[in-house]
Amino acid sequence: DTAVSQTPKYLVTQMGNDKSIKCEQNLGHDTMYWYKQDSKKFLKIMFSYNNKELIINETVPNRFSPKSPDKAHLNLHINSLELGDSAVYFCASSHGDTSNQPQHFGDGTRLSIL
Amino acid sequence: AQSVTQLDSQVPVFEEAPVELRCNYSSSVSVYLFWYVQYPNQGLQLLLKYLSGSTLVKGINGFEAEFNKSQTSFHLRKPSVHISDTAEYFCAVSEGNEKLTFGTGTRLTIIP
Repeated sequence: DTAVSQTPKYLVTQMGNDKSIKCEQNLGHDTMYWYKQDSKKFLKIMFSYNNKELIINETVPNRFSPKSPDKAHLNLHINSLELGDSAVYFCASSHGDTSNQPQHFGDGTRLSIL
Repeated sequence: AQSVTQLDSQVPVFEEAPVELRCNYSSSVSVYLFWYVQYPNQGLQLLLKYLSGSTLVKGINGFEAEFNKSQTSFHLRKPSVHISDTAEYFCAVSEGNEKLTFGTGTRLTIIP
């Protein structure tokens, strides 16, 4: 009965590879987010989708491409992985598209680039 | 543009002692304020939020926070901490239709 679930939990891969992280929420929310948390725990938003439409796109390399097949899913595909991509990636969701709504987070995907 | 400052990166506290985690924000408009907690190897969970109304807000696990507009602060407090409160605490701010901006976090360590 996990509310926001991400897979995989751990991802270890080599530089230059392409990988995807999947996220699903069963809360009935219509907005989903991807965040990146670096080694110093700094948390920064990358993307936000509302009803499958992109509403926030921070300054993120275009190697990162989010895809939302429906409002319960928001996947993140990363091309040509670099050492600096090593981080924990969190998916989150909330009601509506205004940020006065609390966000519900998944447990994160720890990405390690060798 | 909105921003959040958490001046204390680490706060050690003895068990059953009170604690205050400081948060200051910067914004030119009305804001919404949040505190989230992150336990090891987990995602963030909402502790409490201030949207409007009473400046003292109560959250889960015995935490509370006070919104002070003149000092642009939203400090988090708990009168008596427990070992299970050991975690990373994040203050966050939004300006309504803008994104949520997080502070750099405060690691709360409870000493038995």
